Amino acid sequence: KAGVTQTPRYLIKTRGQQVTLSCSPISGHRSVSWYQQTPGQGLQFLFEYFSETQRNKGNFPGRFSGRQFSNSRSEMNVSTLELGDSALYLCASSSLTGPLDTQYFGPGTRLTVL
Amino acid sequence: TQLLEQSPQFLSIQEGENLTVYCNSSSVFSSLQWYRQEPGEGPVLLVTVVTGGEVKKLKRLTFQFGDARKDSSLHITAAQPGDTGLYLCAGSGSGNTGKLIFGQGTTLQVKP
Repeated sequence: KAGVTQTPRYLIKTRGQQVTLSCSPISGHRSVSWYQQTPGQGLQFLFEYFSETQRNKGNFPGRFSGRQFSNSRSEMNVSTLELGDSALYLCASSSLTGPLDTQYFGPGTRLTVL
Repeated sequence: TQLLEQSPQFLSIQEGENLTVYCNSSSVFSSLQWYRQEPGEGPVLLVTVVTGGEVKKLKRLTFQFGDARKDSSLHITAAQPGDTGLYLCAGSGSGNTGKLIFGQGTTLQVKP
């Protein structure tokens, strides 16, 4: 099976712009979670989607949003970019529906905000 | 709020030495996962532990889940340069579907 794929791998944006990141889960996986990784804060949970519905959300401002399509692919959007949004954005997919899920991560999208 | 404290944060050792990484919390987790991450890449799953007291072995790596499911440890025997990387523990809480709580990570450097 192909792993989790994320596009693009690298992005450079300027403050105030918006960005959309894409994630394709492992075939058959219906849950997609997004995380932000920074040197100072580590890996922090953004949100999780299952069957096109957001089931869980982390403590991030409303500028961070996401969606999931019927084929389980997911996108996340960050509007009005700030310098502090520079990070590695990771998505992870899992096949189960409960808290014992094992999550499999993609390679991430490295976002740099100038 | 569930938190995971991982220690040590940095570890630099010589090839052949043994080491242990700890992951502690005051909260109970339904399961706990260990990942290894290379620079610029996503975390790669090493193991998932579910049952309190569980011990799993993966070649030279031994993982243990505490009896109360609040802590875990990763022990590496005879470390090799290929073990170099960032080791992360992550817990799944009851009811927190799709959400993993991560420790801050342990950066391991194994010198030849």
